[in-house]
Amino acid sequence: QVQLQESGPGLVKPSQTLSLTCTVSGGSINNGDYFWSWIRQPPGKGLEWIGYIYNTGNTYYNPSLKSRVTILVEMSKNQFSLTLTSVTATDTAVYYCARAPVGLSSYFDHWGQGALVTVSS
Amino acid sequence: EIVLTQSPGTLSVSPGERATLSCRASQSITSNYVAWYQQRPGQAPKLLVYGADSRATGIPDRFSSSESGTHFTLTISRVEPEDSAVYYCQQYGSSPLFAFGPGTKVEI
Repeated sequence: QVQLQESGPGLVKPSQTLSLTCTVSGGSINNGDYFWSWIRQPPGKGLEWIGYIYNTGNTYYNPSLKSRVTILVEMSKNQFSLTLTSVTATDTAVYYCARAPVGLSSYFDHWGQGALVTVSS
Repeated sequence: EIVLTQSPGTLSVSPGERATLSCRASQSITSNYVAWYQQRPGQAPKLLVYGADSRATGIPDRFSSSESGTHFTLTISRVEPEDSAVYYCQQYGSSPLFAFGPGTKVEI
């Protein structure tokens, strides 16, 4: 059973860079059958897809965040990461990593537990 | 950019009743590209239904989905107390590639 776990600082200062890592266990991130995504949820609000990375290193980002987002993969550690630059209070959210199957239809079948990141001085 | 609208915002039902949740898309998509999630307080979302009407592993057959044009419906046939949660619809394939609706809160 695949499991995902987010890790990283819980507090980031405004204008700085948010960095999170997702560690995948129970399955290989090099499996070409899946996209590996980041999704966030501001407190009390809905879900926003940030972007995904494929095992080739190809990425696809939400246009609303594209200028500030980078997602990278580290195969040797079975991890992928998120960096979000120039953060403001509106970036305060629970950040989830999730897996989505590649195909004509896609959806998130496994999620991490989430990591709360607060942007505050 | 595609926008998903969910209604009602909050749905109050009694145990054993039927709950019908609506998701409307601002442009044409097919049910093959729609999924539904359940999120209980303090938990990550959990996949319920995807594609035309495929249930995720371990999801009881009380949960089903249907489509009528740009209108998608999640039905809980006989609501149980543990179904109290927020339910999100999600589409795949338009811009942004993955998009979620704002959610419907189901109160039992």
